Amino acid sequence: KNQVEQSPQSLIILEGKNCTLQCNYTVSPFSNLRWYKQDTGRGPVSLTIMTFSENTKSNGRYTATLDADTKQSSLHITASQLSDSASYICVVSDRGSTLGRLYFGRGTQLTVWP
Amino acid sequence: EADIYQTPRYLVIGTGKKITLECSQTMGHDKMYWYQQDPGMELHLIHYSYGVNSTEKGDLSSESTVSRIRTEHFPLTLESARPSHTSQYLCASSDPEQGEREQYFGPGTRLTVT
Repeated sequence: KNQVEQSPQSLIILEGKNCTLQCNYTVSPFSNLRWYKQDTGRGPVSLTIMTFSENTKSNGRYTATLDADTKQSSLHITASQLSDSASYICVVSDRGSTLGRLYFGRGTQLTVWP
Repeated sequence: EADIYQTPRYLVIGTGKKITLECSQTMGHDKMYWYQQDPGMELHLIHYSYGVNSTEKGDLSSESTVSRIRTEHFPLTLESARPSHTSQYLCASSDPEQGEREQYFGPGTRLTVT
């Protein structure tokens, strides 16, 4: 069964600190992995997308890593800001269909305190 | 930021009413999607479309229906709303020039059925 598991479920950090969010998946055949940021009451916004051959990708203060062998990914946020408070969702796509079906994790709810 | 719009953003309606959630995109994308998301849970695909006059049911069974008469428009209809339909509904489209790798989400409609 294709699944995406994220940890921790929620996280509270102080402004300026770094944090790392984890994602494990069992989706096969693997196509790509994305990290989305979803603010409360809004739609998800893409942060990074990685294919099988990519093991790291950065977008400003966000750095995602991918280990396709162990089927794990992480999202590292440096120098956190209050605006980073959101749910971070790991999404994995398979290449078994033309639809490009996505499998969503439940997200990590990050809260940044001043 | 993606040009995909949803209206209304919030809707509170009584049981038994017929409702239509609007979704439109100005990017010319052929593939469009409807997701349902409950608080703290993952997104579930309920409908998708490959293009005009194409509609398919997604992974999660839904009593809603969709239509795709124009490329830019993908409305979702509930003939008779029930409290179990209370949820957030997210519309998305994908970019064929990126091999459907990237999905762009609208801001969502928060539906409450009383």
